[in-house]
Amino acid sequence: AQSVTQLDSQVPVFEEAPVELRCNYSSSVSVYLFWYVQYPNQGLQLLLKYLSGSTLVKGINGFEAEFNKSQTSFHLRKPSVHISDTAEYFCAVRNGGTSYGKLTFGQGTILTVHP
Amino acid sequence: DSGVTQTPKHLITATGQRVTLRCSPRSGDLSVYWYQQSLDQGLQFLIQYYNGEERAKGNILERFSAQQFPDLHSELNLSSLELGDSALYFCASSGSGSRVTEAFFGQGTRLTVV
Repeated sequence: AQSVTQLDSQVPVFEEAPVELRCNYSSSVSVYLFWYVQYPNQGLQLLLKYLSGSTLVKGINGFEAEFNKSQTSFHLRKPSVHISDTAEYFCAVRNGGTSYGKLTFGQGTILTVHP
Repeated sequence: DSGVTQTPKHLITATGQRVTLRCSPRSGDLSVYWYQQSLDQGLQFLIQYYNGEERAKGNILERFSAQQFPDLHSELNLSSLELGDSALYFCASSGSGSRVTEAFFGQGTRLTVV
């Protein structure tokens, strides 16, 4: 079985400050890793994904994440946040090596950017 | 726009009733997934279909069922509804052949049971 732990349920930050949202996973097999963002009253939108290759992956809206296999982590970072980044962020894991499969999500981190 | 369409967007119904949620996946995607999002349980995987066949089952109640039709759209049927079934239900699609893709999510159906 797989599991995902997002270490912070809420992260408040000021505009233009850097932010890191932490994610740890547990799996007995190789994995694909994802970060999704959910704005109020909307569906989930993919920010970035790690499938293989370089452990530093870049996504949309200036976000990036680093896959660390030894620490089983996939933390999300942004060097300078905007008010519009206020949303809930979900880390998710899926079995690697297949073209499809269910996602296991963390509990989510609410990022609130203050002016 | 993710390309995944869910209808209806909102649904209000009484306890004991039955509802059907509909999902049209992205063009070419063979896999459809259903998830339930609630405040206490977070995002929970319910069930997956691939090209018309059930592939994986998660925390889906016996009162709930789903199917995927030949045109690949899917329906999630919820019956004998209880107050605790109130949640946001998402459909996602992925998996075009052997190419690895992420899951694309619809806007969700917000179900309120009163």
